[in-house]
Amino acid sequence: ELKVEQNPLFLSMQEGKNYTIYCNYSTTSDRLYWYRQDPGKSLESLFVLLSNGAVKQEGRLMASLDTKARLSTLHITAAVHDLSATYFCAVESYAGNMLTFGGGTRLMVKP
Amino acid sequence: NAGVTQTPKFQVLKTGQSMTLQCAQDMNHEYMSWYRQDPGMGLRLIHYSVGAGITDQGEVPNGYNVSRSTTEDFPLRLLSAAPSQTSVYFCASSYSGQGGSPLHFGNGTRLTVT
Repeated sequence: ELKVEQNPLFLSMQEGKNYTIYCNYSTTSDRLYWYRQDPGKSLESLFVLLSNGAVKQEGRLMASLDTKARLSTLHITAAVHDLSATYFCAVESYAGNMLTFGGGTRLMVKP
Repeated sequence: NAGVTQTPKFQVLKTGQSMTLQCAQDMNHEYMSWYRQDPGMGLRLIHYSVGAGITDQGEVPNGYNVSRSTTEDFPLRLLSAAPSQTSVYFCASSYSGQGGSPLHFGNGTRLTVT
């Protein structure tokens, strides 16, 4: 059974600081997704990582995937208040068609 | 372009009642899925479909039925509601369930069972 663990679960940051969210998973997969959810809203796709060593960047967010360590990271550079949201990683099963989500990291960026 | 549309947005049921949550997408996506979101537990897959006429169980299928008679629609039926089914339900679709096609989510249905 695929298990996905994110940490930290909650992160309070000052604007301008850097931090990393970690996503560990338990079984073989080379397809990992990051989503963002604003309070009371739906989820939107941020990144799709499809191979070992994949790195994607969008603005102040950068995601990477290490399939050998079964680890993905979401790095935040010089945080701004607009990044406050809950971030989820999700891992696709080896056979496809099923995504398992982590528990989410709630990020609060304070001015 | 509407994307993924879920109805209703809110629903209150009494224990034992049944209801159907509607989901429709206009992106011609083959893959559709239902998730429930509970505090601290992320999203858990209930059922999914890889095309019209094909459905399969996810992680937490008990108490729910689905069907996929058309590419566009993927309704979720609660057979006999229980308080444990109080949750926020999201429908999501993608071009394919495999190989890097991200999910497009609806706006969710907040269900309370009393």
